[in-house]
Amino acid sequence: GAVVSQHPSWVICKSGTSVKIECRSLDFQATTMFWYRQFPKQSLMLMATSNEGSKATYEQGVEKDKFLINHASLTLSTLTVTSAHPEDSSFYICSARVETSGVTQETQYFGPGTRLLVL
Amino acid sequence: GQNIDQPTEMTATEGAIVQINCTYQTSGFNGLFWYQQHAGEAPTFLSYNVLDGLEEKGRFSSFLSRSKGYSYLLLKELQMKDSASYLCAAMDSNYQLIWGAGTKLIIKP
Repeated sequence: GAVVSQHPSWVICKSGTSVKIECRSLDFQATTMFWYRQFPKQSLMLMATSNEGSKATYEQGVEKDKFLINHASLTLSTLTVTSAHPEDSSFYICSARVETSGVTQETQYFGPGTRLLVL
Repeated sequence: GQNIDQPTEMTATEGAIVQINCTYQTSGFNGLFWYQQHAGEAPTFLSYNVLDGLEEKGRFSSFLSRSKGYSYLLLKELQMKDSASYLCAAMDSNYQLIWGAGTKLIIKP
């Protein structure tokens, strides 16, 4: 399957600092990437849809000024958590959509996730 | 509204067969996905169904009935490593995935 990488895999930061998380599609181009957040023992929560070359679409309740998303190329999307607070501590996972022409299939492949701990 | 239902937890015995059911209600439909997620890890893709019927892939099979809004994931010859959460997700008309809460599968020796 398609490979998606995420960096860093884990990060600990002080409250008030900003953290940038990178999501890369390694062997394919992704016009659409997704950012999810997952709290312990809960399902994935979609935060935003990132489209290459345009502004991200945020889900209701997600602060776009706090969670900055940049999808500058077909293989890279970044999520920046600005002025992080302890309640932002979570597991952040990106996914990239593989669009296969000729076949109705739009599978999402996930990166390994980034654990963020804000002290 | 859009909704995905799947059991919260299931228990099965090593070597046995288990079926995890999923029902969905979405605005439009562009396919049903199953993902496996081990504790502390990101989900991994298992299967995709968009047409009615059974898709077999090794020990795992996935079934879809669009008229019933129903899917199941069938796991055969269970192994201890299959202990994980299994997430059902339906893709709506906007190509957004609507996620179920996941089914935690516990495999006992």
